[in-house]
Amino acid sequence: QSVLTQSPSVSAAPGQKVTISCSGSTSNIGNNDVSWYQQLPGTVPRLLIYDNNKRPSGIPARFSGSKSGTSATLAITGLQTGDEADYYCGTWSDSFWVFGGGTKLTVL
Amino acid sequence: QVQLVQSGAEVKRPGASVKVSCKTSGYNLMTYGISWVRQAPGQRLEWMGWISGYNGHTNYAQKLEGRVILTTDTSTRTFYMELRSLTSDDTAMYYCARADYDFWTGFTPFDFWGQGSLVTVSS
Repeated sequence: QSVLTQSPSVSAAPGQKVTISCSGSTSNIGNNDVSWYQQLPGTVPRLLIYDNNKRPSGIPARFSGSKSGTSATLAITGLQTGDEADYYCGTWSDSFWVFGGGTKLTVL
Repeated sequence: QVQLVQSGAEVKRPGASVKVSCKTSGYNLMTYGISWVRQAPGQRLEWMGWISGYNGHTNYAQKLEGRVILTTDTSTRTFYMELRSLTSDDTAMYYCARADYDFWTGFTPFDFWGQGSLVTVSS
């Protein structure tokens, strides 16, 4: 069980918008930057969002992140079938890194 | 370009040890360390620990402290993760990922990942 809580699953239709939340505490999200990772089926995780809301080179603008207090949110607009994946939030606390439990996105 | 290339799959007996390697290239080794992350079948990502590329300083996840040892050979730019006293619960894909850590500013994001090394523990 992770100290960062994510909903196990979320679903939406192609073209729609979906949000994935990550809930923590003042010792982790409340005081440190959050990053998000996408893991397509059978592949290596890749960095999607860092420093709460920044996108690495090559990540489409359809993906965005935000943070408020002790929670962070990943938003994906214009959903595509290729976005079906597990999404993990992550941050650090007291010199340790923590990942959320992951959210499985299904594009109906 | 940045590359992290890991060693191949391993099958180990319970109680044995395993050592996975992660050979890096394409960036300044002194400015980044390596985190190790594992993922049991169908499970979430689990952070195992981090080692500095600058001075070999380490941080370990409390759950694994005492069983995991992270080392580095700067001459070959290769990082190693050794896990001892294996049980079936250690069956997982093991990843190395580039990240730095500073006591004051914390971790940088895990921006480049190795391809993964599957470790299977079975009698």
